[in-house]
Parts: sequence; C-alpha cells; structure tokens
Amino acid sequence: GAVVSQHPSRVICKSGTSVKIECRSLDFQATTMFWYRQFPKQSLMLMATSNEGSKATYEQGVEKDKFLINHASLTLSTLTVTSAHPEDSSFYICSAGALRGTEAFFGQGTRLTVV
Amino acid sequence: GENVEQHPSTLSVQEGDSAVIKCTYSDSASNYFPWYKQELGKRPQLIIDIRSNVGEKKDQRIAVTLNKTAKHFSLHITETQPEDSAVYFCAASMPGNQFYFGTGTSLTVIP
Repeated sequence: GAVVSQHPSRVICKSGTSVKIECRSLDFQATTMFWYRQFPKQSLMLMATSNEGSKATYEQGVEKDKFLINHASLTLSTLTVTSAHPEDSSFYICSAGALRGTEAFFGQGTRLTVV
Repeated sequence: GENVEQHPSTLSVQEGDSAVIKCTYSDSASNYFPWYKQELGKRPQLIIDIRSNVGEKKDQRIAVTLNKTAKHFSLHITETQPEDSAVYFCAASMPGNQFYFGTGTSLTVIP
C-alpha cells in the first residue's frame, strides 16, 4: 500500500512554544490530507482537511489559529500547534488517500507532550 | 459532518469464540466503510473494508456486513486469538475522503 510518513514521532515542548508536525506521502501525490487528534483510550477525531494550494477546512470546534495547517505541495502537509499548552498534549495522526473513496493511509503519529 | 456510533466500547471473549462490533452512521452520502485495528501508540491498520454497493465481505476470519437502508455495519471476527486483542475502530468515509471514526471497541481475547 501507499506510504505516509509523519515526523517527529515524539516531541516534548515547553508551554508557550510552537511545534510543527510534518506529514509526507512518499509514493503518491495527495491533493488532500487529513489531520486527526487522539486522546488516550479515545477515538480519532478529525481536526481538519488539508487541501493542496488552498486553505484548510477545519471541523467545528477546532481553532484554526491554534492549529495552523499548510499544504504547500502534493506530498507535504504540516500542522503547527501554536503557543502550545499542556491540554494540547495528545497523539496527532495524519492520513492521505491515493484515490477518493478508498483506504486511508496513516502516518505513524506524533506524540506531543507539552510541559 | 457524519456521526458514527460504535458499540460496545469494551468486549471480552474467550479464545476461539466470535466477536461482533456494530456501528451506525448518519449520512447516507457515506460510501466507504473501513475497519481499523489499533495497537497502543501505533497507527491504525486497515483490516477490512466495504463499499456501499456491497452487502457483505469476508477475509479469512474477518467479515463485514453493511445495511445501507438501516445505515449500520458490523465487524465479525471468528475463532478469535489472543493477538486479536486491540482497539478496533469503524469509520465512514464521505466522497471527499474525510473519515469519521467510531468511538472504538477495546477487544480482549482471553486465552
């Protein structure tokens, strides 16, 4: 299957700083990528849809100024958690699909801990 | 957006027994329904999927059924093994490829 690579896998940052997470599709072009957040023992919550060359579409309740998404190329989307706080600590996962209506390929996930 | 509900939240079965997990969705536009298995701290792994034009699909010990009219779909695992223990998520995908996940089922297979 297609490969989606996400970095870093783990990051610890101080409260008030910003953290950037990268999501790359390695062997296919992804005009759309998706960002999810997962709290311990909970489901994946769709945060936003990242569209190449245009603004991201955020789900209701997700602060767009807090979670900045940039999809500058067909193989790279980035999520920046700005002015991170401890409550932002979570597992963040990106996904991309090679074709519409088919399997989603997930990145490895990023464990963010804000101290 | 789509609303996906999943039951039960936890499930314990004896090794060799069957396990059934059920999901419902709200938006009739959803046309693709995958099931994912997730181990702690790892990315979800696709185990089986079904499209809206199919009623049932089977892959060895795993099967999925879909009732479009009722908007529900189920995962069936037969002859369960300890390595089947994990969290399972159902999802419904809209034509734009957004995936909306169920709340997850923590399956424990007791040896």
